[in-house]
Amino acid sequence: EAQVTQNPRYLITVTGKKLTVTCSQNMNHEYMSWYRQDPGLGLRQIYYSMNVEVTDKGDVPEGYKVSRKEKRNFPLILESPSPNQTSLYFCATRTGTFYEQYFGPGTRLTVT
Amino acid sequence: SQQGEEDPQALSIQEGENATMNCSYKTSINNLQWYRQNSGRGLVHLILIRSNEREKHSGRLRVTLDTSKKSSSLLITASRAADTASYFCATVYDRGSTLGRLYFGRGTQLTVWP
Repeated sequence: EAQVTQNPRYLITVTGKKLTVTCSQNMNHEYMSWYRQDPGLGLRQIYYSMNVEVTDKGDVPEGYKVSRKEKRNFPLILESPSPNQTSLYFCATRTGTFYEQYFGPGTRLTVT
Repeated sequence: SQQGEEDPQALSIQEGENATMNCSYKTSINNLQWYRQNSGRGLVHLILIRSNEREKHSGRLRVTLDTSKKSSSLLITASRAADTASYFCATVYDRGSTLGRLYFGRGTQLTVWP
């Protein structure tokens, strides 16, 4: 079954404690993205990757890091989380630049 | 901002009625996509319409695109309670530094009452 998986699905952590949210896809898609969703602001792109070892900043990259060492995985790293990073995070993939996206189930992060 | 804008922000209708949502955007696009999101869950792709297309259908969904007005509409016919969700438009630009980027609007919350 074609899918995008994210882990963990829920996470409560404290300010400054490094964390990683994993994203994995089994569709052999080139293009992967991370978004955050906040009430009233819609979805905003954090980082995206057009292929292995190719990543670029989205609209809200501050406080986040990513890596794309393998095609199937695109982890999101918060080196020193802060309360303003409390949000719902989505990983998404697509086969090419001008195609539809497939979303993961989301990770609800709370930073206290 | 490159985000599209949906209108209305919220829509409440009875089962069996039609629901229409609109999306406006700012610059030249390659395509426009509509997604649905059930509360707190991942977005699901509904339909993609390319800039050279004017209308597209998928089941009870009908999407139109007017590139001269930079707007699109999503029509859900004969709505059901299960259609209750947030609906987002996303634009994919075709030039410049935003080439290929997907920009989402803030969404329309549709509630369908039994």
